[in-house]
Amino acid sequence: KQEVTQIPAALSVPEGENLVLNCSFTDSAIYNLQWFRQDPGKGLTSLLLIQSSQREQTSGRLNASLDKSSGRSTLYIAASQPGDSATYLCAVSRSGNTPLVFGKGTRLSVIA
Amino acid sequence: NAGVTQTPKFRVLKTGQSMTLLCAQDMNHEYMYWYRQDPGMGLRLIHYSVGEGTTAKGEVPDGYNVSRLKKQNFLLGLESAAPSQTSVYFCASSYQGLRQPQHFGDGTRLSIL
Repeated sequence: KQEVTQIPAALSVPEGENLVLNCSFTDSAIYNLQWFRQDPGKGLTSLLLIQSSQREQTSGRLNASLDKSSGRSTLYIAASQPGDSATYLCAVSRSGNTPLVFGKGTRLSVIA
Repeated sequence: NAGVTQTPKFRVLKTGQSMTLLCAQDMNHEYMYWYRQDPGMGLRLIHYSVGEGTTAKGEVPDGYNVSRLKKQNFLLGLESAAPSQTSVYFCASSYQGLRQPQHFGDGTRLSIL
């Protein structure tokens, strides 16, 4: 059974710092991996989707990498801002039609 | 351009009562999903649908029923609510399964007393 772990559970950094969020999964036979952002009291917003054949995806100040063989993904946030404060979740799927398995998230606080 | 809309946003029920949560999407998506989010448990899939008239069980389907009579709507029913079903419920949709990102609603906060 696929398990997704995100460490740390919570992270607090000063504004302007570059930071890395980690995601690990136990079964390397994945179809794709997604990173989401969740603001308090809101639903999830998709940030980046990495197909299993890809090594990384970038969107603005965000860069997500994928290493299937080691079962790891990282989300790099450059020049963090207070508006980046949220919970970040990663999720993996085994195929295009099987459900996503989510990690429990990392709660990020960026202090001005 | 509403995206995914969930109704109601909040609800308090007594044990044994029934209710239906409504999810509506205006993006012509084929796939729709119901999740529950609990502290320390993360998001877990309850049921999903790969198209109008279809439904399938997810990880935690017991105590819930779903229907997808129209492509744009996905209903989640609780037949006899239990305190263990106190949770935040999220609906999501996507165009081509997991080949493309899922779009989420803002959730329904349900308390069972």
